[in-house]
Amino acid sequence: IVMTQSPLSLPVTPGEPASISCRSSQSLLHSNGHNYVDWYVQKPGQSPQVLIYLTSYRASGVPDRFSGSGSGTDFTLKISRVEAEDVGIYYCMQGLQNPPTFGQGTKVEVK
Amino acid sequence: VQLVQSGGGLVQPGGSLRLSCAASGFTFTTYWMSWVRHVPGKGLEWVATINKDGSDKYYLDSVKGRFTISRDNAKKSVYLQMDSLGVEDTALYYCVRIVIVVPPTSTEFEPWGQGTLVTVSS
Repeated sequence: IVMTQSPLSLPVTPGEPASISCRSSQSLLHSNGHNYVDWYVQKPGQSPQVLIYLTSYRASGVPDRFSGSGSGTDFTLKISRVEAEDVGIYYCMQGLQNPPTFGQGTKVEVK
Repeated sequence: VQLVQSGGGLVQPGGSLRLSCAASGFTFTTYWMSWVRHVPGKGLEWVATINKDGSDKYYLDSVKGRFTISRDNAKKSVYLQMDSLGVEDTALYYCVRIVIVVPPTSTEFEPWGQGTLVTVSS
């Protein structure tokens, strides 16, 4: 399954909202009703960390300014108010089928 | 909850390396584990997954027959034996726990190890 993100580069202004799109080559909806999409961020100098799993569930400790949505083949990660610490590369990942596959990554930079 | 990696380094094409990952802070035997790599200039690429007791293993097609994932539950560790390495295997390799697995689905990869650099070059 191919995951395609857009944009690949996203300059943001602190305090403003931001949005990243992820499209899959086939539906990620499981018969259990969950869409198997996760979002990860790799901040400079750090290992990746999970933000969102199963499309819309925030991982432990993730600020509520991050939210995920979507179904089928179209998914979105939204940051309601960007903070300077949010800079990094954001990846979507599908976990419906083996192998798990990642999007190309979206580099979020502060203007 | 922590994963600490070791191993890696510079190796010639055709050579071998073994990566190790030691877990702490959680019940290791109740989680599937994976290796994911970050290829320079590209993004993240899943490499291999092993189930709780080591009886099931899954591999990226391009590493099948060359890489072997294993685990030692008594030592709370997971390993990646890499043989017949090629320049295309040059990457930063991460050990990661998979929080939710109902085969073939997997979700919530967390935490990730600190990463181990593998460089394949003559």
